[in-house]
Amino acid sequence: DAGITQSPRHKVTETGTPVTLRCHQTENHRYMYWYRQDPGHGLRLIHYSYGVKDTDKGEVSDGYSVSRSKTEDFLLTLESATSSQTSVYFCAISGGSFSYNEQFFGPGTRLTVL
Amino acid sequence: DAKTTQPPSMDCAEGRAANLPCNHSTISGNEYVYWYRQIHSQGPQYIIHGLKNNETNEMASLIITEDRKSSTLILPHATLRDTAVYYCIVRVANYGGATNKLIFGTGTLLAVQP
Repeated sequence: DAGITQSPRHKVTETGTPVTLRCHQTENHRYMYWYRQDPGHGLRLIHYSYGVKDTDKGEVSDGYSVSRSKTEDFLLTLESATSSQTSVYFCAISGGSFSYNEQFFGPGTRLTVL
Repeated sequence: DAKTTQPPSMDCAEGRAANLPCNHSTISGNEYVYWYRQIHSQGPQYIIHGLKNNETNEMASLIITEDRKSSTLILPHATLRDTAVYYCIVRVANYGGATNKLIFGTGTLLAVQP
């Protein structure tokens, strides 16, 4: 267990509302990532962080923003949710006491935008 | 990062070895081969990675051809719990840099049959 949790685990919201997903880790890992997973697409990287206040875009970053104000938390925000953002969101971590070459994934958040 | 090609699905009898192929003909000299798997509804799980030598751990073995254009993940004695989607990913190894990203394809769905 790499000490990674996601909250909420399930969320239903309406189009146009803001949504924030939280990823929390207890192992002081340097790197944190947000992925989304949709049928037929595998996992796609949204944003990642390589340190406190250091973030960068992934391959599907439009419509998403992130923040990392402390090592243990990485927040993913949908400023105005759309139905196309209905997905399962996974957070991942790497570095710290584990190999930089392994990523450990959280349990996922299932988001439904109506 | 180099692109990988995997069969969309495979079957394997319980107790037999499962051999999952991956083609990565455009791999460059500093790129490693990584394998992850994702059991239904869970986050992906790291299995193994290698550069050019064969690798083995408690989960699996990784066989990389001499020209490094393809590899095979071997689960020596597949069980029903090994039913999952297996992802082959090619990427430069990370040793603390800022580009520790994984690009997932659609993987191979391995169905272990009783």
